Amino acid sequence: AQSVTQPDIHITVSEGASLELRCNYSYGATPYLFWYVQSPGQGLQLLLKYFSGDTLVQGIKGFEAEFKRSQSSFNLRKPSVHWSDAAEYFCAVSLAGTASKLTFGTGTRLQVTL
Amino acid sequence: DTGVSQDPRHKITKRGQNVTFRCDPISEHNRLYWYRQTLGQGPEFLTYFQNEAQLEKSRLLSDRFSAERPKGSFSTLEIQRTEQGDSAMYLCASSLGGQSEKLFFGSGTQLSVL
Repeated sequence: AQSVTQPDIHITVSEGASLELRCNYSYGATPYLFWYVQSPGQGLQLLLKYFSGDTLVQGIKGFEAEFKRSQSSFNLRKPSVHWSDAAEYFCAVSLAGTASKLTFGTGTRLQVTL
Repeated sequence: DTGVSQDPRHKITKRGQNVTFRCDPISEHNRLYWYRQTLGQGPEFLTYFQNEAQLEKSRLLSDRFSAERPKGSFSTLEIQRTEQGDSAMYLCASSLGGQSEKLFFGSGTQLSVL
């Protein structure tokens, strides 16, 4: 069965610092890969997705992620974090061709200090 | 607001009672999904509809759970004889479907079973 691992439960960064959130997946085939953000009281919002092609994908709010097949990873990055980026971040995968049935990781809570 | 809306936002019930949640998707979206999220975990897929047809159900969806989408528009999720383990956030999402579909999530219904 496919699975997603987000090894960092909680990360704290200073505003303006760079950010990298880790995501590793376990799946026999090349999955579709996603990053979502969840703010308190709000629904999950899609930051970016990878289906195929260029392994470096750009998303909203200045986020990017890189798919590394050899490492089964899809890490999320941002060069300069803003206080408004404080939220819970979820990596998710799906079977290629079934982008709807997502398997989520346990999430990483990002705290931003001023 | 043309996003996905869920009602109620919060529900507190006693063990053994039945509860029903409602989800109104984005109007032109033909796919509707239900996920469940427990504290400290990522969302877990429960079921999804293509128009009014329920196409897939997770093993997580016990016989006490039933979902409907009678006219291919709004959906209801009913839990009968609630148990404390049912306490969770129930999330609804909708999409247009397709190869690279994008899910739009509602803010969820938080269920507490006492």
